[in-house]
Amino acid sequence: GESVGLHLPTLSVQEGDNSIINCAYSNSASDYFIWYKQESGKGPQFIIDIRSNMDKRQGQRVTVLLNKTVKHLSLQIAATQPGDSAVYFCAENIFGNTPLVFGKGTRLSVIA
Amino acid sequence: GAVVSQHPSWVICKSGTSVKIECRSLDFQATTMFWYRQFPKQSLMLMATSNEGSKATYEQGVEKDKFLINHASLTLSTLTVTSAHPEDSSFYICSARGLAGGLSEQFFGPGTRLTVL
Repeated sequence: GESVGLHLPTLSVQEGDNSIINCAYSNSASDYFIWYKQESGKGPQFIIDIRSNMDKRQGQRVTVLLNKTVKHLSLQIAATQPGDSAVYFCAENIFGNTPLVFGKGTRLSVIA
Repeated sequence: GAVVSQHPSWVICKSGTSVKIECRSLDFQATTMFWYRQFPKQSLMLMATSNEGSKATYEQGVEKDKFLINHASLTLSTLTVTSAHPEDSSFYICSARGLAGGLSEQFFGPGTRLTVL
């Protein structure tokens, strides 16, 4: 289930289940969105991106969905594995122009 | 390709001293570099944007005299935390964006953990 802690909300899922992490972005002018994975003590690691002219993009075990009407982004991870445990951030910008702005993040905890 | 490195990966210093963090783009030329700060259990917050050869643009609330940024070349930017205090303890992450033609993405470094005693 999902809980909201002092700073980062946490999503706990069973190994093998699918995970859905949500993000509300702030700038209606943003046209580029990225999901990052961050493990403890490391920099953000690129997972998948999507441009505003698309509403869905799939990668290996991951899918990003974009709903521009409500400014909502989601990351779906299929068959979640213990190695997926990390903090996930969405980020947005106007591609090649403004710096990436990060969302609040969600901690994914995979229960073996 | 598109690797960004940071040095040091961690540093511990005494209150009142200054600390310099380096950010390098190893295999591309970075026209723009960004510095982010991340406190525990929080998101990355943009501190400043620097373009090679010009002064950095700081975000609101970030003291430019305290966080000195130098982007002297297309592969190197430095962040100097002057007169560091315990509240400056944080994870500092740089990001680099290259020249046009496929390198408009931002690439992130591994971060530098600063602890001020």
